[in-house]
Amino acid sequence: AQKITQTQPGMFVQEKEAVTLDCTYDTSDQSYGLFWYKQPSSGEMIFLIYQGSYDEQNATEGRYSLNFQKARKSANLVISASQLGDSAMYFCAMREGHRGSTLGRLYFGRGTQLTVWP
Amino acid sequence: ETGVTQTPRHLVMGMTNKKSLKCEQHLGHNAMYWYKQSAKKPLELMFVYSLEERVENNSVPSRFSPECPNSSHLFLHLHTLQPEDSALYLCASSQSGTGVVDEQFFGPGTRLTVL
Repeated sequence: AQKITQTQPGMFVQEKEAVTLDCTYDTSDQSYGLFWYKQPSSGEMIFLIYQGSYDEQNATEGRYSLNFQKARKSANLVISASQLGDSAMYFCAMREGHRGSTLGRLYFGRGTQLTVWP
Repeated sequence: ETGVTQTPRHLVMGMTNKKSLKCEQHLGHNAMYWYKQSAKKPLELMFVYSLEERVENNSVPSRFSPECPNSSHLFLHLHTLQPEDSALYLCASSQSGTGVVDEQFFGPGTRLTVL
């Protein structure tokens, strides 16, 4: 079974509007971390936001927020006030185990291509 | 230089060539990774190095040979590759340890084309 599922291959949003990118995950671990990365056409993966499984508050970083619903195993990324520069591929990823204790085992979804139009 | 750098950015090679990809991290991290990103497939973890020791080899064919001479440098040596090995190869680094922030920082990638 896939560890990370992103069901939206592509999303379109108008500039200045908010957009939600979906992510569901599958794990039996109690401790895990969820990450969102942005990949522009240049190829570099840019870290956006992190949510730990024990964090009670939803993570926020500037215009990015993570809508964490633990019971539903979903970790949707919300981008507020979209900008043209937000057009990119967005990947959801999960690390199982305690923060900093496990190496490298990031499971990535297939990504969502976001296009922001003027 | 800052962050994670990779060279070359683009590489075209024949199936009989030998080449190497280089990654350097300037973040003081203690773990480094190689990923393969093919079209229409999720990012695939290839190798993990912690403190210069390989701790994970994700069933990668032997035509890919990693090398980590120190905690800042990571190489991927390539020989007798196949056309299906054409992909974007991404290097990443992170700081591992209890209580630290452990997100992985990625380089810009090497776009490899095997003819």
